[in-house]
Amino acid sequence: DAGITQSPRYKITETGRQVTLMCHQTWSHSYMFWYRQDLGHGLRLIYYSAAADITDKGEVPDGYVVSRSKTENFPLTLESATRSQTSVYFCASGTGGPSYEQYFGPGTRLTVT
Amino acid sequence: GQQLNQSPQSMFIQEGEDVSMNCTSSSIFNTWLWYKQDPGEGPVLLIALYKAGELTSNGRLTAQFGITRKDSFLNISASIPSDVGIYFCAALRSGSQGNLIFGKGTKLSVKP
Repeated sequence: DAGITQSPRYKITETGRQVTLMCHQTWSHSYMFWYRQDLGHGLRLIYYSAAADITDKGEVPDGYVVSRSKTENFPLTLESATRSQTSVYFCASGTGGPSYEQYFGPGTRLTVT
Repeated sequence: GQQLNQSPQSMFIQEGEDVSMNCTSSSIFNTWLWYKQDPGEGPVLLIALYKAGELTSNGRLTAQFGITRKDSFLNISASIPSDVGIYFCAALRSGSQGNLIFGKGTKLSVKP
């Protein structure tokens, strides 16, 4: 009965490396989302997915790649990490309409050195 | 683009006091949500509002969906130390099928 989990919780990587952040939900929610949270900017949407194999860009998608081959998983990949991608990343899931409520994971704190 | 203006940015209150915060926009929304985030955790949904004028309570928390559909308010009555955290408003982005936009948060500190 984990709900929504993220791994790793903390990650330090070097500039230029590829990093994948994992997100898994057990609710069978159709929608999944990736946000980044930075001081002064609040929560900003990176990518979202309405269903398996359907993904779309959010507000800040540059430098990120997503995939969703299974309903329960929504990995986020930084293809070549940059210092500006140092942030806390949150995954969320939801049912979409009519409630549009989203439920968040515990977050991954990523530091790019 | 659509933006939510949340105020105040921070509040320092005494335990037992009531708290009010709000979120305004120049855009009209059909759904408003309020979240709370504890340090080191993800945001947790507190209250969801779906109808203009709607007033919904969750324990000591009460939220209202503004009549103009451009604002929402959250009140916390008789604050306690565990109310400490950051409160975010969120609204459903127009034309989207689930994308929320978030306010920048109100940081609440409670002095015992």
